[in-house]
Amino acid sequence: EAQVTQNPRYLITVTGKKLTVTCSQNMNHEYMSWYRQDPGLGLRQIYYSMNVEVTDKGDVPEGYKVSRKEKRNFPLILESPSPNQTSLYFCASNSPGTGGAQNTEAFFGQGTRLTVV
Amino acid sequence: GQNIDQPTEMTATEGAIVQINCTYQTSGFNGLFWYQQHAGEAPTFLSYNVLDGLEEKGRFSSFLSRSKGYSYLLLKELQMKDSASYLCAVRDDSWGKLQFGAGTQVVVTP
Repeated sequence: EAQVTQNPRYLITVTGKKLTVTCSQNMNHEYMSWYRQDPGLGLRQIYYSMNVEVTDKGDVPEGYKVSRKEKRNFPLILESPSPNQTSLYFCASNSPGTGGAQNTEAFFGQGTRLTVV
Repeated sequence: GQNIDQPTEMTATEGAIVQINCTYQTSGFNGLFWYQQHAGEAPTFLSYNVLDGLEEKGRFSSFLSRSKGYSYLLLKELQMKDSASYLCAVRDDSWGKLQFGAGTQVVVTP
């Protein structure tokens, strides 16, 4: 089954304690991305990756790091979490869009609800 | 800058029709997507428009006018399970970067 898998689904942590949220996709997609979703703000892109070892900042990258050592995995790292990073996080993947291609939709993971106290 | 606008909330009765509008101003355009998201769940893909006109998929239809920077999602024969947030998203480059609107919460009442 084609899917994007995130872990953990729920996480409560304390300020300053490093954490990693994992993301894995089994569709051989080149493009992967991380979003955070906050009430009234919609989905905002944190980081994205166009392929292995190619990553770039999205709209809200401060306080986050990512890596793309393998095509299927794209972990999100919070080196020193703070309460303003409490949010719902989604990982997504898709193949490059070529105008009308069938596989241009983004597939989302189930989400990770993070609370930083 | 990037700007994608959609109404915050709409309420409609079971069996009725609701139209959710989306206007956008983005640096590039490579397609417009509509997603459905139930509370606390992942967004799921509904429709994709890259050319002007109407795309119909069962009870859901989506329309695009690129010259006006405008799209709408039409939900017909509303069911209670259609109560959800509907997200408009524009792909502004060929690699898949998506810009999302804040979402429209649709409430279906009996």
